[in-house]
Amino acid sequence: QQQVKQSPQSLIVQKGGISIINCAYENTAFDYFPWYQQFPGKGPALLIAIRPDVSEKKEGRFTISFNKSAKQFSLHIMDSQPGDSATYFCAATTAEGGSEKLVFGKGTKLTVNP
Amino acid sequence: SQTIHQWPATLVQPVGSPLSLECTVEGTSNPNLYWYRQAAGRGLQLLFYSVGIGQISSEVPQNLSASRPQDRQFILSSKKLLLSDSGFYLCAWSVINEQFFGPGTRLTVL
Repeated sequence: QQQVKQSPQSLIVQKGGISIINCAYENTAFDYFPWYQQFPGKGPALLIAIRPDVSEKKEGRFTISFNKSAKQFSLHIMDSQPGDSATYFCAATTAEGGSEKLVFGKGTKLTVNP
Repeated sequence: SQTIHQWPATLVQPVGSPLSLECTVEGTSNPNLYWYRQAAGRGLQLLFYSVGIGQISSEVPQNLSASRPQDRQFILSSKKLLLSDSGFYLCAWSVINEQFFGPGTRLTVL
């Protein structure tokens, strides 16, 4: 119940295309859903996040779509660029207990070909 | 602005040797602090988290330990390293859900 399932494991997109990464969760207590971007040898960086009271959040070329009833959320990268090539992690958390522990998906390695 | 530091950046240690990795956070008070391990090409495994000085919770039984001697300092230790301890160790801090990661320490145990 604490898992976040992420797919696909790897994704290859042409420059200018749309990259879509999907995540699903079971725990209805989750109330915050961030996405992280990680380049090789670096720590993950917070990219964009959403709370379950909204169905979509957009920041530049990055959009999170959230379906509360289906317990699914996805990251869309519009006009994908070679510089977007990285590993993306979805996550979910609840602040119960005060720890704010994140449960991460296993990651998606995105390659954007020029 | 907040900054998180980790050192060393890379470390090569023999099996059976001790370990001490340090993490410090600047620009925030009383953050929640976390240690993660990431195996090559894998996801993030939460090892320890702390909600305050001296308060440590362990997520996975192992030969590692953590301590928080000061509000913004988090230390990961081991008395005797195993080959399986190799990986990329990440410290993170959070306030109100948002969690931010440090640059990481690449540990290789030979």
